[in-house]
Amino acid sequence: AQSVAQPEDQVNVAEGNPLTVKCTYSVSGNPYLFWYVQYPNRGLQFLLKYITGDNLVKGSYGFEAEFNKSQTSFHLKKPSALVSDSALYFCAVRDGVNRDDKIIFGKGTRLHILP
Amino acid sequence: KAGVTQTPRYLIKTRGQQVTLSCSPISGHRSVSWYQQTPGQGLQFLFEYFSETQRNKGNFPGRFSGRQFSNSRSEMNVSTLELGDSALYLCASSLRGQETQYFGPGTRLLVL
Repeated sequence: AQSVAQPEDQVNVAEGNPLTVKCTYSVSGNPYLFWYVQYPNRGLQFLLKYITGDNLVKGSYGFEAEFNKSQTSFHLKKPSALVSDSALYFCAVRDGVNRDDKIIFGKGTRLHILP
Repeated sequence: KAGVTQTPRYLIKTRGQQVTLSCSPISGHRSVSWYQQTPGQGLQFLFEYFSETQRNKGNFPGRFSGRQFSNSRSEMNVSTLELGDSALYLCASSLRGQETQYFGPGTRLLVL
């Protein structure tokens, strides 16, 4: 069965600095990996995904993520943080081989960008 | 295209009652998934429906049930509500289930 871990409950970054939100995963087949963001009192919004191809995936709002198969990681990154990036971020994984398997979300990482 | 809509947005119930939540997916999407979000447990998968059939189910008691209609709209029902059922219930739709999911704004349920 697949699983996903977000080891940090909260990440604090000063505005203008680079940010990283960590995610590691475990699947038996090829992973489909996703990042979502949730702003207060809203549903989740899709940021980016990795299915196959380039290990560096670019997404919405200047975010990118790097798929690292050997470390089973899919960390979310942004070169220069904005205060408006403050939100709750979820990593998710699905088994790309067993297509009927469900998507699993991490517990979320709250990102605080300090002005 | 209109996004995923969920009704009602807010709901207050008392223990022992039952509740039905509704989700209308994006037009053309046939897969609908339901999640429970709580501060302590994060986002937990409830079930997924595709073409009116339950395709996957999470680890929730039988008090939680759902269904999907021929127009892909979905409902979930929680019977005999408990205080611990207080949560944000999110619905997400996708074309066939394996792709990107699009989330609704959620229904916030408070059980007193």
